[in-house]
Amino acid sequence: SQQGEEDPQALSIQEGENATMNCSYKTSINNLQWYRQNSGRGLVHLILIRSNEREKHSGRLRVTLDTSKKSSSLLITASRAADTASYFCATDARATSGTYKYIFGTGTRLKVLA
Amino acid sequence: DGGITQSPKYLFRKEGQNVTLSCEQNLNHDAMYWYRQDPGQGLRLIYYSQIVNDFQKGDIAEGYSVSREKKESFPLTVTSAQKNPTAFYLCASRSDNEGYHQPQHFGDGTRLSIL
Repeated sequence: SQQGEEDPQALSIQEGENATMNCSYKTSINNLQWYRQNSGRGLVHLILIRSNEREKHSGRLRVTLDTSKKSSSLLITASRAADTASYFCATDARATSGTYKYIFGTGTRLKVLA
Repeated sequence: DGGITQSPKYLFRKEGQNVTLSCEQNLNHDAMYWYRQDPGQGLRLIYYSQIVNDFQKGDIAEGYSVSREKKESFPLTVTSAQKNPTAFYLCASRSDNEGYHQPQHFGDGTRLSIL
């Protein structure tokens, strides 16, 4: 079952503009992760935010987490054409076996126009 | 270089045939995962494994099987019972060294199509 839902589904912006995408989830989490996927490739981890953190930065990326609203946002500042990709959020869920599995959102397709 | 290798990159399956997708990692990670991705969709979990000789079903395990005989290898078999196998398959691994606050590392995927 898909826990994460992202919006918008698609986003098109000009180079240099900021891009914001949002993720909502349903159950309690230990952390939330954001990944990027270039067309036809695997996912690349961008940033992980723990449930007791509210904001985290990494280069041009800023992630916020609101556990009361069960939502997160990813902001990419000063976007570049190379940022064109799909972006996914993933939340952890502890299985009955004690292992951890991850539930991915539906993704936001970002297109940055040069 | 450490990483995850999936092979082949493209695979074609005939009706009634089983096919096996390879996933190998040299990151010394304990946990490994298989996902299916349909066009324009997110990832859905097929199977995952925390340790050698142990694995659990994910959300869409029907028509698939796995084995975990070695820590570095987690092959996925798409059986003839999977009636709609055309998809992009992604393998991932994760370290447990610092508990659950660890990201997944992904391979570059195998695209499976029906002939």
